[in-house]
Amino acid sequence: QSVLTQPPSVSGAPGQRVTISCSGSSSNIGAGYDVHWYQQLPGTAPNPGTAPKLLIYRNGNRPSGVPDRFSGSKSGTSASLAISGLQAEDEADYYCQSYDSSLSGFVFGAGTRVTVL
Amino acid sequence: QVQLVESGGGVVRPGRSLRLSCAASGFTFGRHAMHWVRQAPGKGLEWVAGISYDGSNKDYADSVKGRFTISRDPSKNTLFLQMSSLGVEDTAIFYCARDWAAAVSGLSHFDYWGQGIMVTVSS
Repeated sequence: QSVLTQPPSVSGAPGQRVTISCSGSSSNIGAGYDVHWYQQLPGTAPNPGTAPKLLIYRNGNRPSGVPDRFSGSKSGTSASLAISGLQAEDEADYYCQSYDSSLSGFVFGAGTRVTVL
Repeated sequence: QVQLVESGGGVVRPGRSLRLSCAASGFTFGRHAMHWVRQAPGKGLEWVAGISYDGSNKDYADSVKGRFTISRDPSKNTLFLQMSSLGVEDTAIFYCARDWAAAVSGLSHFDYWGQGIMVTVSS
């Protein structure tokens, strides 16, 4: 059971907009800790996926090289990642991450698989 | 460019020990906190441990506290994870990750990751 709750999967047609929610509590997101998002591209069995890549940091900032199709926001005890103009290359697992003061450590959501129909 | 290369993984019996290494290059190692994050087969990401830029502060996930030790050697630009009393639940890909900041804090996030190294605990 992850401390941060994400939907297991979302899907959309090419060009559409999808959003991924990340729900926390008063000891993490609600306590004011930032939310960061990572993208992990799928691997080809039996090899695992690629290493995670930082996609959004501090709620809504994009590292250099990340397309502006990706955006993040945070409100209250939740955060969300939006992908607009969905492309086939966006098929991947997406993880949110924050800090939890009760656990005194960093927490991830269980991940959301994005499928492009 | 930033490179993080893990090594030291493999198959180990339950109860035994293993030490992972992460060789860093392409940035000033001594200016960044560093972390280990793991991913069990078919599962999500789990933060394992973090260490400040100078090694003075270390934090651990409850699941590994008392069994794992994170350390760093600035002369070799290398991060380590000493793992003992390994159990089957420790089977995972272990990633080395750079913190954007020097200190491990609530502001931390992981801006660069290594390719990962597999650790399998099995009898």
